[in-house]
Amino acid sequence: QVQLVESGGGVVQPGRSLRLSCAASGFTFSSYGMHWVRQAPDKGLESVAVISFDGANAYYRDSVKGRFTISRDTSRDTLYLQMNSLRVEDTAMYYCVKEDGGHSQFDYWGRGTLVTVSS
Amino acid sequence: EVVMTQSALSQPVILGQSASISCRSSQSLVYSDGNTYLNWFQQRPGQSPRRLIYKVSNRDSGVPDRFSGSGSGADFTLKISRVEAEDVGVYYCMQGTYWPPTFGQGTKVEIK
Repeated sequence: QVQLVESGGGVVQPGRSLRLSCAASGFTFSSYGMHWVRQAPDKGLESVAVISFDGANAYYRDSVKGRFTISRDTSRDTLYLQMNSLRVEDTAMYYCVKEDGGHSQFDYWGRGTLVTVSS
Repeated sequence: EVVMTQSALSQPVILGQSASISCRSSQSLVYSDGNTYLNWFQQRPGQSPRRLIYKVSNRDSGVPDRFSGSGSGADFTLKISRVEAEDVGVYYCMQGTYWPPTFGQGTKVEIK
């Protein structure tokens, strides 16, 4: 069955960096677009970034452009999110999400990894 | 960015009764391929979101037929018939027609 397991979260000071990972299994990783979606404590859901199935294209929400980089390693079936220049408002649970057939059709979610940005 | 607006933040419901959750988008969600990329997600307390409905009215595998989606253009509804205790949680609509995908603010379904 499809499994998405995130790791790499933690507590970090503003301005520092963190790299999240998502280990995928149970499906052909190289055939699907992948997303990072975040949820601030007791708040709603917000899409952060997407990467195409082949890694050729990536898109970001405006608030993270230039600071976050999404990437994937098909040899390891792993998705990444490099987060630089972190801000307090980036504090959230970060979910790795598989897309089914384009247009952000999110069919599987990981359990999430918590990122806390605080001085 | 397309704004998704859910009509209620909270929906108290009696066990066994029905609940309807409304969602409106700031523009039509019909894509040029003719599809409408509107999804519904359930997030139980302490869990990740789970998709219930995709492309307005298609139920995901394993989702009870008590859940149904309807609507068109910019106006959509999720209906839960015969609410059970396990249905407690927050429900989100989400559009995938435009980048970035955007979510409604969520509607909390609780037992009255």
